[in-house]
Amino acid sequence: GENVEQHPSTLSVQEGDSAVIKCTYSDSASNYFPWYKQELGKGPQLIIDIRSNVGEKKDQRIAVTLNKTAKHFSLHITETQPEDSAVYFCAASLTPEAGGTSYGKLTFGQGTILTVHP
Amino acid sequence: DAEITQSPRHKITETGRQVTLACHQTWNHNNMFWYRQDLGHGLRLIHYSYGVQDTNKGEVSDGYSVSRSNTEDLPLTLESAASSQTSVYFCASSGPTTSGRSNEQFFGPGTRLTVL
Repeated sequence: GENVEQHPSTLSVQEGDSAVIKCTYSDSASNYFPWYKQELGKGPQLIIDIRSNVGEKKDQRIAVTLNKTAKHFSLHITETQPEDSAVYFCAASLTPEAGGTSYGKLTFGQGTILTVHP
Repeated sequence: DAEITQSPRHKITETGRQVTLACHQTWNHNNMFWYRQDLGHGLRLIHYSYGVQDTNKGEVSDGYSVSRSNTEDLPLTLESAASSQTSVYFCASSGPTTSGRSNEQFFGPGTRLTVL
């Protein structure tokens, strides 16, 4: 089955700095890579996702890059703000379009605790 | 607004008891998932369903069961609770939306279960 490794486990930055979180995956068939943000006491919430036919995607201060050959993808947050402090999870899965009978199941990385200091 | 809810939010039980955690979504999503979250492990898939009467085992299914009798609900049952099942449990759903996004999973607020 799929295995996702996420680094670092904790990340501390100053407000305004950039933050980068990296993930690697093992199953070359995976074609959907979402990133979730989890605030204390809440469920994870999708912040950005990327499909395997795209190398990079950006949404305001957040961007994700994907290297299919190396099987790794990264989350980049620029101009960090204190409200970005949370736990971030990467995940990998198959989309329904990929075919097969086992789509949609997310395999998560271990999580990164991001702290942005004012 | 559509949402996904879980109940109870907190539960304390004793070893050996049967426990059922509820999950209800009003998105009309076909796909529903149960995950458990433990420190150092991220979220791990317990069971999932692609529709009514469909259930499948995930990565950590031993000791858990689910049933899907309608689109909105996927209750998770711990047949005989064990201390190793102390965790935070999240339910999620996904399916086609008006924007066409069928891959995004929407998560509930979680249930914190303690087995003594």
